Amino acid sequence: DQQVKQNSPSLSVQEGRISILNCDYTNSMFDYFLWYKKYPAEGPTFLISISSIKDKNEDGRFTVFLNKSAKHLSLHIVPSQPGDSAVYFCAASDIGDTGKLIFGQGTTLQVKP
Amino acid sequence: NAGVTQTPKFRILKIGQSMTLQCTQDMNHNYMYWYRQDPGMGLKLIYYSVGAGITDKGEVPNGYNVSRSTTEDFPLRLELAAPSQTSVYFCASSWIAGGGETQYFGPGTRLLVL
Repeated sequence: DQQVKQNSPSLSVQEGRISILNCDYTNSMFDYFLWYKKYPAEGPTFLISISSIKDKNEDGRFTVFLNKSAKHLSLHIVPSQPGDSAVYFCAASDIGDTGKLIFGQGTTLQVKP
Repeated sequence: NAGVTQTPKFRILKIGQSMTLQCTQDMNHNYMYWYRQDPGMGLKLIYYSVGAGITDKGEVPNGYNVSRSTTEDFPLRLELAAPSQTSVYFCASSWIAGGGETQYFGPGTRLLVL
């Protein structure tokens, strides 16, 4: 049973436009959500996170929105840049559960110049 | 400060062979994790450790073993390699459980079992 789902395997946007990556989860015990970015042949790197007590967190060009009632979160990148082209993983954790992360399948973002 | 390092970068194994994937972190993190990533899939937790001498199973532990004798090192052992273990393996570490940029990942070990 996939507790964290990213239903779009890929997304292509034009440079300068907004990229919106989506993530759904099923476990209501999750109370922390993270986005990781991964380039080929490298490990994932942390991008941005949000606690379940918030509905929005912003860091520069990156904003994460959380809709707890819908069990849905999204990552907005504005404006998108070619260097943003990578695989983006959504992850969730139950803080009381030793910090274990449950990852989605990933969405490959391509930003075209 | 090297962060999380993993060796080897790439390895080909024959079915039934054994090997140890090495992971070392120099950030004095208590928590360490091993994940595997199959093509088109997310990362799945194999084993984790909350401190030296303490390990526990994750989501997909079968076919693997771990040990944690020091804070810095968390090796992953494959005893009898099988084609289903062909994957990319990532080691990660964190200072606390939950919150913020909790886990720092190594560059990965690509394993091919033939």
